Amino acid sequence: AQTVTQSQPEMSVQEAETVTLSCTYDTSESDYYLFWYKQPPSRQMILVIRQEAYKQQNATENRFSVNFQKAAKSFSLKISDSQLGDAAMYFCAYRSSKSSGDKLTFGTGTRLAVRP
Amino acid sequence: DTGVSQDPRHKITKRGQNVTFRCDPISEHNRLYWYRQTLGQGPEFLTYFQNEAQLEKSRLLSDRFSAERPKGSFSTLEIQRTEQGDSAMYLCASSLATPLADTQYFGPGTRLTVL
Repeated sequence: AQTVTQSQPEMSVQEAETVTLSCTYDTSESDYYLFWYKQPPSRQMILVIRQEAYKQQNATENRFSVNFQKAAKSFSLKISDSQLGDAAMYFCAYRSSKSSGDKLTFGTGTRLAVRP
Repeated sequence: DTGVSQDPRHKITKRGQNVTFRCDPISEHNRLYWYRQTLGQGPEFLTYFQNEAQLEKSRLLSDRFSAERPKGSFSTLEIQRTEQGDSAMYLCASSLATPLADTQYFGPGTRLTVL
């Protein structure tokens, strides 16, 4: 079974600075998808960024980018120019590419605080 | 608004009672998922549907839990004889079944408290 580990329960960053959230995963599959989701306090979870394992290029979405290291099974999220609205729980998630493996497996999350 | 909606948003019940939650997916999405999230944890998969067919159920989904998706539209999750350990946030998500367009979009969740 696949597992996702987020070893940083809490992180803090100064507004306008850069922060990196860590995620490692364990799988025996070669093709899969990785995601970062953001869950603001009392609000619904939204997708931040998605990475296909077959792509060597790291995904980017505006201020958000990932460092995908397939051999190391590492998938970190970098948030540049942090804003107060970035404060939230961030979850790393794994999904198999097999047609029967559509469920997401989540890590335990990292709570990000942004200091003004 | 065309996002995923869930009803109710909060439910307080006494142990032993039955509860039912509803999820309305994004209209064109044919896949629908249920997850459970307890405090301080990430969501855990419970079950998912493609159209009206329930394709996978987690071992977390005990016999007291049942989910349906009649006509492949909205879905209901029923918990019978609730226990205090059922207290959690129940999240619904939906997606298309098209590769590279199959991102799961989540609803706001139903928070269940069992007294």
